[in-house]
Amino acid sequence: AQSVTQLGSHVSVSEGALVLLRCNYSSSVPPYLFWYVQYPNQGLQLLLKYTSAATLVKGINGFEAEFKKSETSFHLTKPSAHMSDAAEYFCAVSDRDDKIIFGKGTRLHILP
Amino acid sequence: GAGVSQTPSNKVTEKGKYVELRCDPISGHTALYWYRQSLGQGPEFLIYFQGTGAADDSGLPNDRFFAVRPEGSVSTLKIQRTERGDSAVYLCASSLPLLAAQPSSSYNEQFFGPGTRLTVL
Repeated sequence: AQSVTQLGSHVSVSEGALVLLRCNYSSSVPPYLFWYVQYPNQGLQLLLKYTSAATLVKGINGFEAEFKKSETSFHLTKPSAHMSDAAEYFCAVSDRDDKIIFGKGTRLHILP
Repeated sequence: GAGVSQTPSNKVTEKGKYVELRCDPISGHTALYWYRQSLGQGPEFLIYFQGTGAADDSGLPNDRFFAVRPEGSVSTLKIQRTERGDSAVYLCASSLPLLAAQPSSSYNEQFFGPGTRLTVL
């Protein structure tokens, strides 16, 4: 069975500081991994995805994530936080053509 | 083009009532998914359609939940004898089907609708 664990339900960073949201996955098959963002009162938006190509994946809004098989991790980073990055972030895992399994989410707060 | 749409955006009902939630996928998307997002949680899978048939309904919590997609486009999620614990945001997503010829690095993104917020009083 596949699963993801997001470390920290709430993360606060200062504007301009590094954003690091942690995600570890469990999968018995080569996983497809995702980060989704959900802004208040809006739908889910795909930030980036890993599909067995390059291990360092770049997404929208300056975010990127690195797939590390040895650590079963897929942490999300952004070098410099912006106030507009405040949102809920979900790490997720899937088979190639199947349902998505989401983590519980991390709410990112940006401090002025 | 138009994205995934869901109606109604909000639904308030009383315990024991029957509700229907509708999803209009992106035109041409044969795959359709329903998820449920409870407060403070990530979305949880309910059911997946490929065309008209339910390819995977393992996420439906019990037999009060049922979904149909009779013409392979619009889908309706039906909940009988609603309970307070059914209160959540119900999300629909659609995607293009994967073709066998596509390489393993291909992935057809699931596009999510805005959801229907169901409140059972």
